[in-house]
Amino acid sequence: EAGVVQSPRYKIIEKKQPVAFWCNPISGHNTLYWYRQNLGQGPELLIRYENEEAVDDSQLPKDRFSAERLKGVDSTLKIQPAELGDSAVYLCASSHRWGTSGNTIYFGEGSWLTVV
Amino acid sequence: QKEVEQDPGPLSVPEGAIVSLNCTYSNSAFQYFMWYRQYSRKGPELLMYTYSSGNKEDGRFTAQVDKSSKYISLFIRDSQPSDSATYLCAMSAKGDDKIIFGKGTRLHILP
Repeated sequence: EAGVVQSPRYKIIEKKQPVAFWCNPISGHNTLYWYRQNLGQGPELLIRYENEEAVDDSQLPKDRFSAERLKGVDSTLKIQPAELGDSAVYLCASSHRWGTSGNTIYFGEGSWLTVV
Repeated sequence: QKEVEQDPGPLSVPEGAIVSLNCTYSNSAFQYFMWYRQYSRKGPELLMYTYSSGNKEDGRFTAQVDKSSKYISLFIRDSQPSDSATYLCAMSAKGDDKIIFGKGTRLHILP
């Protein structure tokens, strides 16, 4: 079974430029998450989708971040414009519908963003 | 006080030793407890998952939950250099969709 796939793996951009990350979750997983992980920290949730619906986006900085999950499968996370403090790893994760198998989620390898 | 506390380490132990990794938490509603392993430049990988109190064993790994003390542990027996990674604890409450992660403990197994 293929895992969560993310691209690009690494991205270096200048501040004020836009950047987008793409995620393909594990087949059959209805729930998709975007997390941000700063160096030396644990992952922090940005947004959670149940199918196409964003059910928790309370931690997403909506002035510059946006996300979408068209057709309830793949998802894109965008930052525009990027700031120096956005340098981090952006992790996509997926799980079965919340509650059907506990709270276990499976992560992709991450998209490593450096803003210079 | 943060909801989940985890010593960031680094923790260095010789190969073959028993490793003990720990987290404390403040929210008594937490019922699901997880341990993830994260290698450098990789995403977190689920290692162990336990519900409520007790122990769970999987090969060289044992997860332990003490809800009365709000304390969880991960033990690694016969540690190997390949166990060198960052170990993240994570937990959530039943019926709550938020998973809270610790900061992670960096572990080095010395050959």
